[in-house]
Amino acid sequence: EAGVVQSPRYKIIEKKQPVAFWCNPISGHNTLYWYLQNLGQGPELLIRYENEEAVDDSQLPKDRFSAERLKGVDSTLKIQPAELGDSAVYLCASSFQHGGSEQFFGPGTRLTVL
Amino acid sequence: AQSVTQLGSHVSVSEGALVLLRCNYSSSVPPYLFWYVQYPNQGLQLLLKYTTGATLVKGINGFEAEFKKSETSFHLTKPSAHMSDAAEYFCALEGNEKLTFGTGTRLTIIP
Repeated sequence: EAGVVQSPRYKIIEKKQPVAFWCNPISGHNTLYWYLQNLGQGPELLIRYENEEAVDDSQLPKDRFSAERLKGVDSTLKIQPAELGDSAVYLCASSFQHGGSEQFFGPGTRLTVL
Repeated sequence: AQSVTQLGSHVSVSEGALVLLRCNYSSSVPPYLFWYVQYPNQGLQLLLKYTTGATLVKGINGFEAEFKKSETSFHLTKPSAHMSDAAEYFCALEGNEKLTFGTGTRLTIIP
């Protein structure tokens, strides 16, 4: 069974440019998460989806970040415009359900903003 | 508010020696606790989890952890370190529907 797929794996952009990350979760997983991981830190939740609905986006900087999960399967996270401080690894994870369930993580997208 | 504290951002042990990675937590509700491992340029992989029941939890690759409510701890151990254990380890707490990670401990194995 395929794991969580993310693309691209690496992205280098100049500040003020837009960027988008894509995630395809494990088949049948209703819950999808986007995390931000800064160097030397643990992941921090940006947004959680239950099917198509964003049920927790309290930590998503909505002035420049947006996300969508059309049809309740794959998801896209966008930053527009990117800032230097956005350089980090963006992780996608999925789980069968939320609450005590294992989250399966993708390999992440490493973003560098110049 | 909930939080996770991992004592020691870097731990080095000799191959064959005991591995002990420390994790303390704070939570206003009964927590679910997890240990994840992250190898370079990879996502996180679950080692073990505690939800309810037996407080000594066994995971993959010979790791285990004990939930101690009185000490608010969930330390990770392995009796004998192997070179392949070198990685970053994260303790995480789920409470109030949110998963909170510690800052991680980088484990180095000395040949």
